[in-house]
Amino acid sequence: GAVVSQHPSWVICKSGTSVKIECRSLDFQATTMFWYRQFPKQSLMLMATSNEGSKATYEQGVEKDKFLINHASLTLSTLTVTSAHPEDSSFYICSARDSPEATGELFFGEGSRLTVL
Amino acid sequence: LAKTTQPISMDSYEGQEVNITCSHNNIATNDYITWYQQFPSQGPRFIIQGYKTKVTNEVASLFIPADRKSSTLSLPRVSLSDTAVYYCLVGVLNSGNTPLVFGKGTRLSVIA
Repeated sequence: GAVVSQHPSWVICKSGTSVKIECRSLDFQATTMFWYRQFPKQSLMLMATSNEGSKATYEQGVEKDKFLINHASLTLSTLTVTSAHPEDSSFYICSARDSPEATGELFFGEGSRLTVL
Repeated sequence: LAKTTQPISMDSYEGQEVNITCSHNNIATNDYITWYQQFPSQGPRFIIQGYKTKVTNEVASLFIPADRKSSTLSLPRVSLSDTAVYYCLVGVLNSGNTPLVFGKGTRLSVIA
């Protein structure tokens, strides 16, 4: 099946610094990618929809200035956590479909675990 | 998007068949049903998808009654490696830009 890859798989940073997480579709083009966040023992929470060549659409309660999303190409979307704080520590997961049809399988990356000290 | 309700957790012994039922009472005509599996510290993995009646693949079966207000994921002869969280999701059929919204999922524990 199609592959979605994230980098880094884990990162530790100091409070106040910014961290960038990359999401790549390795063998297909994705005009749309989705970013999720998952806290321990909880479900995935949709953060935003990343659209190639245009602004991302954020879910209610997600600060767009805090979580910067850039989808500059059909195979790459990046999530930057700006001025990270300990409460931003979480598991961040991206996903994309390998076809424009909604019945196309939604592939998920391996996830990126962020720990803010 | 249709809301889903699943049992929070289930336990099963190895070798047994496990059936996880998901309620989605307000499913729309153009919604389809998808199940994902997630292991700790990994992204979810697609298991099976269906619209109505029965779908079977090499991993599982999905049973959907005529009214489509529920669905049942059936895992035959589970093993310890099937211990994971299973999510039932309902999504729009004709919009590739629509994300899938995750409910709380069912935490399956397989016991030796």
